Amino acid sequence: KQEVTQIPAALSVPEGENLVLNCSFTDSAIYNLQWFRQDPGKGLTSLLLIQSSQREQTSGRLNASLDKSSGRSTLYIAASQPGDSATYLCAVHNTGNQFYFGTGTSLTVIP
Amino acid sequence: DTEVTQTPKHLVMGMTNKKSLKCEQHMGHRAMYWYKQKAKKPPELMFVYSYEKLSINESVPSRFSPECPNSSLLNLHLHALQPEDSALYLCASSPGWGLHTDTQYFGPGTRLTVL
Repeated sequence: KQEVTQIPAALSVPEGENLVLNCSFTDSAIYNLQWFRQDPGKGLTSLLLIQSSQREQTSGRLNASLDKSSGRSTLYIAASQPGDSATYLCAVHNTGNQFYFGTGTSLTVIP
Repeated sequence: DTEVTQTPKHLVMGMTNKKSLKCEQHMGHRAMYWYKQKAKKPPELMFVYSYEKLSINESVPSRFSPECPNSSLLNLHLHALQPEDSALYLCASSPGWGLHTDTQYFGPGTRLTVL
């Protein structure tokens, strides 16, 4: 079974800092990897989707990379803002049509 | 319209009640999903419907019964639940099923409390 781990579990940074969130997975047979944001008690908002054939995707201040062979993805957030405070989840879509979510990173950006 | 809606937002029910959760999308997506999320845990997949047919049932207890009346609607019927079933229930949809380009779109969730 696919296991998806995110490090760190929690992160607190001052406003304006650049930061990196990590996601690792054990089975490299994936269709894609998706990064989500979740605010407390709310649903998930899709941030970026990287197909298995891609190396990275960018959207505004966000950049996600994928190294399928090593089972790793990173989410880079530039110039962090207090509004970025949320839990960030990565999710892997396996070629067996299974979806597995990571354990999440809780981010706090301090004004 | 890029929205997935879920009703109700909150639900409190006793262990002998029967209730239903509703999910709706009008994006023409052909795959719809139910997830369960406990506090401070990632979502866990429960069911997947593809083209209105049940494609995946992740060994969910029979007290949860999904239904897909049409391509836009997904219901989750609840009966004889246990207090440990209290959680946030998330619905999602995606354009297709098994496509590597698919993005999942999530609804806001229904917060369920079982007394």
